[in-house]
Amino acid sequence: DADVTQTPRNRITKTGKRIMLECSQTKGHDRMYWYRQDPGLGLRLIYYSFDVKDINKGEISDGYSVSRQAQAKFSLSLESAIPNQTALYFCATSDLSGGRHNEQFFGPGTRLTVL
Amino acid sequence: GQNIDQPTEMTATEGAIVQINCTYQTSGFNGLFWYQQHAGEAPTFLSYNVLDGLEEKGRFSSFLSRSKGYSYLLLKELQMKDSASYLCAVIMIKAAGNKLTFGGGTRVLVKP
Repeated sequence: DADVTQTPRNRITKTGKRIMLECSQTKGHDRMYWYRQDPGLGLRLIYYSFDVKDINKGEISDGYSVSRQAQAKFSLSLESAIPNQTALYFCATSDLSGGRHNEQFFGPGTRLTVL
Repeated sequence: GQNIDQPTEMTATEGAIVQINCTYQTSGFNGLFWYQQHAGEAPTFLSYNVLDGLEEKGRFSSFLSRSKGYSYLLLKELQMKDSASYLCAVIMIKAAGNKLTFGGGTRVLVKP
């Protein structure tokens, strides 16, 4: 079984709809992240959480919100989806800070299309 | 702030060698990762450098020069399955904890 899972894997929605992307992990990591990936722009950080009570904005948080329901679960919401939020979304986890521990483990991704 | 640059695309022939360069500017460097990402899939770990020098792992090697803000990933004996994007990511020290900042990725196309 995969250590980091994302649901749904694919989603097509319409402008103005509320969308929630979910991420679960069995790695026991405290740190979780949400990224979006657009062609040629690499991975850009939306939000991150270092533990259940900690939520931090990344470089492109506008239009998104998150919820850390438990150590193993981190959800990303689009309150009112717009077409330029069409992208591939990845959840990732990492262990404690320091050296190789900064390695991030990625989920399989969610392809979101906003019409 | 930080800025990470790598070429957008490279093409090489099966069996050859390709070197992917990554330059970065950041305050508080604390390590550099290389990830491989096949189209539509999740990035997967390739290498980690925190000290100057070369780290070799099979057909893949990664080099770091902290004073120059420079790293490269070397892929030897290229195989068709090596066609993928390669992401350079820098750990930037921040008071609230370290985070990874990714470059735009280099798409490598291996031709027969």
